[in-house]
Amino acid sequence: SQQGEEDPQALSIQEGENATMNCSYKTSINNLQWYRQNSGRGLVHLILIRSNEREKHSGRLRVTLDTSKKSSSLLITASRAADTASYFCATPLGKLIFGQGTELSVKP
Amino acid sequence: NAGVTQTPKFQVLKTGQSMTLQCAQDMNHEYMSWYRQDPGMGLRLIHYSVGAGITDQGEVPNGYNVSRSTTEDFPLRLLSAAPSQTSVYFCASSYSGRTGGGGELFFGEGSRLTVL
Repeated sequence: SQQGEEDPQALSIQEGENATMNCSYKTSINNLQWYRQNSGRGLVHLILIRSNEREKHSGRLRVTLDTSKKSSSLLITASRAADTASYFCATPLGKLIFGQGTELSVKP
Repeated sequence: NAGVTQTPKFQVLKTGQSMTLQCAQDMNHEYMSWYRQDPGMGLRLIHYSVGAGITDQGEVPNGYNVSRSTTEDFPLRLLSAAPSQTSVYFCASSYSGRTGGGGELFFGEGSRLTVL
């Protein structure tokens, strides 16, 4: 069974809006990672947040981590059509285990 | 650096045939892994390696073999292909080996396999 679960499974927004995706996981972790996958391509690492961090920023990305609720969220601000992709969270359990992903569609 | 290179990009097999998906990385990464991606299933870990000579099973290892004779290469072998192995396969590597595979993963572009 997979460690992480993303919510929602699909999200459609207009350009300029913010997009929020959530990830819940099952066991204790020392970090959580977010990846992006453009259609037909390999995954690309976006951001890593450690278990002792509550929030982390990278450009238009903001990630939060709540270890008490075993959940994380990824916020993309001022979205662009080029942000259209699938987004995955991943947790290390000796090896990285991925969730099923959120498919984000940003309409121009 | 080429990063993570997978070959072939596309392959069609008949049921019962065997083949090897190749994966090579030029970043001197200790950790390498294979995932398969199916619609609605996300990525599932097949096998992984924390260093040369060391391999271990992931979530869905049945029907696949791996070996790690060098740091650079981590081939995935399908022993007797089945239609259920139709999927997109991704190889990934990271710096973190014996520390537990928790580092950032670098992915190849994928190998699309169809088993008829």
